[in-house]
Amino acid sequence: KQEVTQIPAALSVPEGENLVLNCSFTDSAIYNLQWFRQDPGKGLTSLLLIQSSQREQTSGRLNASLDKSSGRSTLYIAASQPGDSATYLCAAAGGTSYGKLTFGQGTILTVHP
Amino acid sequence: KAGVTQTPRYLIKTRGQQVTLSCSPISGHRSVSWYQQTPGQGLQFLFEYFSETQRNKGNFPGRFSGRQFSNSRSEMNVSTLELGDSALYLCASSLGGWPILNTEAFFGQGTRLTVV
Repeated sequence: KQEVTQIPAALSVPEGENLVLNCSFTDSAIYNLQWFRQDPGKGLTSLLLIQSSQREQTSGRLNASLDKSSGRSTLYIAASQPGDSATYLCAAAGGTSYGKLTFGQGTILTVHP
Repeated sequence: KAGVTQTPRYLIKTRGQQVTLSCSPISGHRSVSWYQQTPGQGLQFLFEYFSETQRNKGNFPGRFSGRQFSNSRSEMNVSTLELGDSALYLCASSLGGWPILNTEAFFGQGTRLTVV
């Protein structure tokens, strides 16, 4: 059974800092790993999708890496801004679990001016 | 193009009642999956449909059911509501298909269900 863990659970940083969010998963037989952002009371916004054959993906100030052998993914946010404040979730998809994403508990990020 | 649309956005129901939630996927997407989000349990998978067939189901009681129509729109139904069913219900759509499993999932804004 896939289990996904995210650390830290919460993070508070001043504006402008570079930061790293961590995600680990127990079953390395994943097809892809996806990072999402969730604002309070809202749905999930897809940030980056890393396929199992890839090592990293980049979108603007965001960079996500994937190491299947160690069961880890990281989301790097450069030059953080107050608008980045949200909950960040990683989710693993794998095996024959069609359409099933296994989510971590999320990291609550606060970027203060 | 339009994103994933969930209706209604908010619902208040009484224990014992039943409720139906609707999800319209992104045009061209054939896979729809449903999740329950609560503060204590986080995001938990309910079920996934592809081309009107349920391909996967999570560990929820039989009171939770769903279906998908020929236009890929999906509904989920919860019967005999309990207080613990209060949650944000999210649906996600993706291209789906076999063996294409590397497809990105896009979520709707969710339906906030409150059971009183």
